[in-house]
Amino acid sequence: DSGVTQTPKHLITATGQRVTLRCSPRSGDLSVYWYQQSLDQGLQFLIQYYNGEERAKGNILERFSAQQFPDLHSELNLSSLELGDSALYFCASSTKPGQGFRNEQFFGPGTRLTVL
Amino acid sequence: AQTVTQSQPEMSVQEAETVTLSCTYDTSESDYYLFWYKQPPSRQMILVIRQEAYKQQNATENRFSVNFQKAAKSFSLKISDSQLGDAAMYFCAYHRIRSQGGKLIFGQGTELSVKP
Repeated sequence: DSGVTQTPKHLITATGQRVTLRCSPRSGDLSVYWYQQSLDQGLQFLIQYYNGEERAKGNILERFSAQQFPDLHSELNLSSLELGDSALYFCASSTKPGQGFRNEQFFGPGTRLTVL
Repeated sequence: AQTVTQSQPEMSVQEAETVTLSCTYDTSESDYYLFWYKQPPSRQMILVIRQEAYKQQNATENRFSVNFQKAAKSFSLKISDSQLGDAAMYFCAYHRIRSQGGKLIFGQGTELSVKP
């Protein structure tokens, strides 16, 4: 158990809908990262938040947005869902950004999103 | 932009034998970190081993060791005395130091099967 929690574990929805994925980082971790794992794109970085502020953006679609709240939990919002958004979405947390290997990212169990 | 390449989509090893998974990367940075992550059927991402680019000594963690060749930009993972529980997808990942965002850049993965 990494200490990072993600809810829900599974989500099945229809095209055009909007969903919210939730992540709670390890106690004391200030950074939260979102990754998408799909068969065709592999594991891709989406976005990072540090202590409530956006720090880095990767291949995140405009239909997707995220935020980190004062209690440090984070939410990833996916809207106007398409079939191709079906994937495993991971959240990871770490202490400080850019601190190298001491900045080990601890991954949550992921949320499996299926868009029908 | 940094890239990570794993040229072996699948590998197989006999239980108790040794197997080496390959990884190459491309970067213009001199300081960075490299990781191997394991993803078993549960889909949990588990850190196996890490290597700091400024260290010449290869990292080892019990039965896992790496062969880090900085000039060749190569970072292979050796698993000794393979066990059935080692069967998983293995991802090589790159992490910049002093990056504004501590994102991980992953390779495509190598599916390792262990034969009893």
